[in-house]
Formats: sequence, C-alpha cells, structure tokens
Amino acid sequence: EAGVAQSPRYKIIEKRQSVAFWCNPISGHATLYWYQQILGQGPKLLIQFQNNGVVDDSQLPKDRFSAERLKGVDSTLKIQPAKLEDSAVYLCASSFQGGNNEQFFGPGTRLTVL
Amino acid sequence: AQSVTQLGSHVSVSEGALVLLRCNYSSSVPPYLFWYVQYPNQGLQLLLKYTSAATLVKGINGFEAEFKKSETSFHLTKPSAHMSDAAEYFCAVRNYGGSQGNLIFGKGTKLSVKP
Repeated sequence: EAGVAQSPRYKIIEKRQSVAFWCNPISGHATLYWYQQILGQGPKLLIQFQNNGVVDDSQLPKDRFSAERLKGVDSTLKIQPAKLEDSAVYLCASSFQGGNNEQFFGPGTRLTVL
Repeated sequence: AQSVTQLGSHVSVSEGALVLLRCNYSSSVPPYLFWYVQYPNQGLQLLLKYTSAATLVKGINGFEAEFKKSETSFHLTKPSAHMSDAAEYFCAVRNYGGSQGNLIFGKGTKLSVKP
C-alpha cells in the first residue's frame, strides 16, 4: 500500500513570494491533515479535512494561508505572501475516518523563507 | 484543554542501555495518548497508542509505555537501546476540544545512541 505522498520535498523562496505544497493521501482515507512543524517544536495542526469539507481550520493564518481538497482526495496548501516565520516543515497526514484511527504521515516539505 | 509536556529535549544513552523518554499530560477527560518517532528527513511513524484499555502498551521496535493516571504520565521505555533507535520522539494527546482525531504534540525529545 502506498503511503502519503508530498511534493516538493524542499522549497526555498524569498519573503513575500508565494508557494504551494501538494499532498496525496493514502487511498480510501477520508480525513486529511496539514501540520506545521517549526524547528525544535512538535507538529501543530493547521487544517483538517473530512472528505472535501473543512472540519477545523482554527489555527490556520487565513490572511496568508489557504488550503483546498478538491474531490476529497489530493490537497494543496498555499502560502501567499510568505514570511520569514513560515520557515518550517509542512507535514500532511491522513487517516481512515479521523477519530482514533491512526494518522499516517508523509515525509513533509521543508520550506525555507529567506 | 489537553496538552503534553516532554521532559528533556535531548537524551543520550549508550547502546544496550535502558531508554526512558518522559511525557506528562494534562487533560480534563480521559486521554488518548500516542508516541510517534521521526527519523531524519522523514515523516512521523506511530510507535504505540493508549486508548483506555491496558495501561501497559507495547509498540513496535521493542518500545513500550505505561499510562499512570496518578502521575499523569505516559513515559516511553525500551530495555536495550540500539543504534537504529536514534531519532526524535514525540508524545501526543488526542484533542477533544477541536476536531475529531486532531493531535496535540509535545516539543519532542531527540534520542542519541552512543556505540
């Protein structure tokens, strides 16, 4: 069974530029999560989807971050414009139905904002 | 609200020695607790989880954790460290205040294993 796929793996941009990350969850997983992991900290949830609907985006900085999950499968996370403090690893995870189902994580996208 | 605190950002042990990584939780409801491992440049992998069944939970790679309600702890142990155990370990608690399945992570403990 293929795992959670993410691309790109690494991205370097200058502040005020825009960037987009892509995630392909495990087939059949209804719930998809985006986490932000800043160096030296644990992952923090940005947004959670159930199928193609948003369940929780309370910690998403909506003035610059946006995310979508069209057709309830792939998802993209966008930052526009990026700030220095957005430098982090962005992790995508998926689970069968949320709740206590195990979350499977992708390898992450390491973003550096200069 | 739920939270977890991991004591010690960096732990170093010798190969063959006991591994003990500490995690304390705060929760107003019975918690569901998790330990994840992260190898360099990889995503997180579930080691084990506590979901209110047995208090001693066995996971992969010889790790286990014991849920102690009186101490609000969920420490991770392994009797004998192996070089391949060198990684970062995260304790997490299920967030009941937010969406279903949302996890709240600690800051992580980096484990080094000396030959």
